[in-house]
Amino acid sequence: DAGITQSPRHKVTETGTPVTLRCHQTENHRYMYWYRQDPGHGLRLIHYSYGVKDTDKGEVSDGYSVSRSKTEDFLLTLESATSSQTSVYFCAIKGWGELFFGEGSRLTVL
Amino acid sequence: EDQVTQSPEALRLQEGESSSLNCSYTVSGLRGLFWYRQDPGKGPEFLFTLYSAGEEKEKERLKATLTKKESFLHITAPKPEDSATYLCAVGANAGGTSYGKLTFGQGTILTVHP
Repeated sequence: DAGITQSPRHKVTETGTPVTLRCHQTENHRYMYWYRQDPGHGLRLIHYSYGVKDTDKGEVSDGYSVSRSKTEDFLLTLESATSSQTSVYFCAIKGWGELFFGEGSRLTVL
Repeated sequence: EDQVTQSPEALRLQEGESSSLNCSYTVSGLRGLFWYRQDPGKGPEFLFTLYSAGEEKEKERLKATLTKKESFLHITAPKPEDSATYLCAVGANAGGTSYGKLTFGQGTILTVHP
């Protein structure tokens, strides 16, 4: 157990509404990541953080923003959700070199 | 741009029938090659890290190997509980600024029939 909790685990929302996904870790890891997983695309990096208030974009960052005001929490926000953002979102923390993943948040945008 | 290609996309085996999964990669300086297992509805579970060509790692019925261009995940005498999606990922050395990011392949769906 890597001590990662994602919330909510499931969410259904409508196009145009804001959505925030939360990742909480209990092990004081510096590096945290948000990935999305879609059939045919595998896991793709959205944003990552290398410290409190230090974040940067991944390969599929358009339409997403993140914030990290405390070491233990990394928030992913969809300012105005679109159907193309229907996906499973995974948070991860960095161990020695490997990443450890949470259980995922399944988001459906209608 | 780092790229990872896994083959086959899906593999169906009979219990006890050994086989291998392939992960081909291109990366600008390999920091590590990572294998994960993912069960339906779950997050990826870390299996192995390989750092340099010639390295091998083993865990139960799984053995991972690494060359300069690809990695293999060998499954010996598989059981139905080995059924899962197996993901391969690479981390790049980017002058110390990679921040631990990994690039993933699309995965191989393994089904082992009793």
